[in-house]
Amino acid sequence: DGGITQSPKYLFRKEGQNVTLSCEQNLNHDAMYWYRQDPGQGLRLIYYSQIVNDFQKGDIAEGYSVSREKKESFPLTVTSAQKNPTAFYLCASSLTGGMNTEAFFGQGTRLTVV
Amino acid sequence: DAKTTQPPSMDCAEGRAANLPCNHSTISGNEYVYWYRQIHSQGPQYIIHGLKNNETNEMASLIITEDRKSSTLILPHATLRDTAVYYCIVRVAGTNAGKSTFGDGTTLTVKP
Repeated sequence: DGGITQSPKYLFRKEGQNVTLSCEQNLNHDAMYWYRQDPGQGLRLIYYSQIVNDFQKGDIAEGYSVSREKKESFPLTVTSAQKNPTAFYLCASSLTGGMNTEAFFGQGTRLTVV
Repeated sequence: DAKTTQPPSMDCAEGRAANLPCNHSTISGNEYVYWYRQIHSQGPQYIIHGLKNNETNEMASLIITEDRKSSTLILPHATLRDTAVYYCIVRVAGTNAGKSTFGDGTTLTVKP
């Protein structure tokens, strides 16, 4: 089945540790995105990538890093510099350009830092 | 992208139509209206989109006013599984879909 997969669904880490969240898609989409969602709030864009080996900061990139070495993969690292890392993280992908494209989302990773 | 305004919450009786409004008074001529929904603890799901004509698919109908300053998403026969947060988004066609601004949306609660 075509889709976008995030793993793991739940992740626990100790404060001060870096942690990497996985996002893989087999939709052959060029663009991929990472969002953060806090309880009761909407989605905020962390990073996005329109093409392999290129990515751009979103609205809340501080304390996060990404890489895009392969078209199908866009891992997000939450670093120790992120002050409040506990949140629900969503990955998405889409076609670029063209008309009437929509974003496809993964099922999210809930990160808890203790 | 234009900003949208949605009511924070709505209730609907099971089996009845759910009408979710969205205001986008600053929408530009080349911006489309998109609707997504997010069931608790899952990723958002695309529902429908339109430019100026009314649209219908297997999930919902989208009614856009003639001046395009507002729209309504209609779930014709709401079920308990339609309980979710519904996001209305406007964005320029051909731009990256994932860069859309997802605000707080409308929490729809379908009651038996």
